[in-house]
Amino acid sequence: SAVISQKPSRDICQRGTSLTIQCQVDSQVTMMFWYRQQPGQSLTLIATANQGSEATYESGFVIDKFPISRPNLTFSTLTVSNMSPEDSSIYLCSVGGFGGVNTGELFFGEGSRLTVL
Amino acid sequence: AQSVSQHNHHVILSEAASLELGCNYSYGGTVNLFWYVQYPGQHLQLLLKYFSGDPLVKGIKGFEAEFIKSKFSFNLRKPSVQWSDTAEYFCAVTGGSWGKFQFGAGTQVVVTP
Repeated sequence: SAVISQKPSRDICQRGTSLTIQCQVDSQVTMMFWYRQQPGQSLTLIATANQGSEATYESGFVIDKFPISRPNLTFSTLTVSNMSPEDSSIYLCSVGGFGGVNTGELFFGEGSRLTVL
Repeated sequence: AQSVSQHNHHVILSEAASLELGCNYSYGGTVNLFWYVQYPGQHLQLLLKYFSGDPLVKGIKGFEAEFIKSKFSFNLRKPSVQWSDTAEYFCAVTGGSWGKFQFGAGTQVVVTP
């Protein structure tokens, strides 16, 4: 495994604004995903971050609301756009396939706790 | 569609007691199964995983899980818990090849001294 760093670790935002969360891995990975963990609930996959192309979104999540970038094999961003209190959640970056080797498991960052007022 | 069901949302037990957390899944194909743990204030960590072979899987910190294909279950066990096992435990399932993870709702375990 490797170190997965997310920034910011937490933030309080105003309704209607946007926030970009960064995920940096200290080694190259094949797969990068973004999950959401709402209060008292399980993890829900938002999208798969594809290197150099558009992310693949799960049902219920759209690019206009959650634009994602992945310019290389170690970095991705998730933007939460036009935020509302319902977006208050922990957003988790997860990765797999260190060094191109797929072990089938996911590794997680510490998450970014977002509160929208 | 994949689904994962964890039977208990909250479990409270005393140190040295035995722990068993239930996990059932619904998926029409080959599955990979996982248990993750999230200690207070920390990130999710892998406890153990099952891909194939011996259905009794041993993980870190004395945890084990048993895959029972006929029951679509992957229950987590620990014979004797410690206070440091206080955490939230998540069961997760994915397809045979690299795929999306489906997580259960999680079980909050509190171990009292």
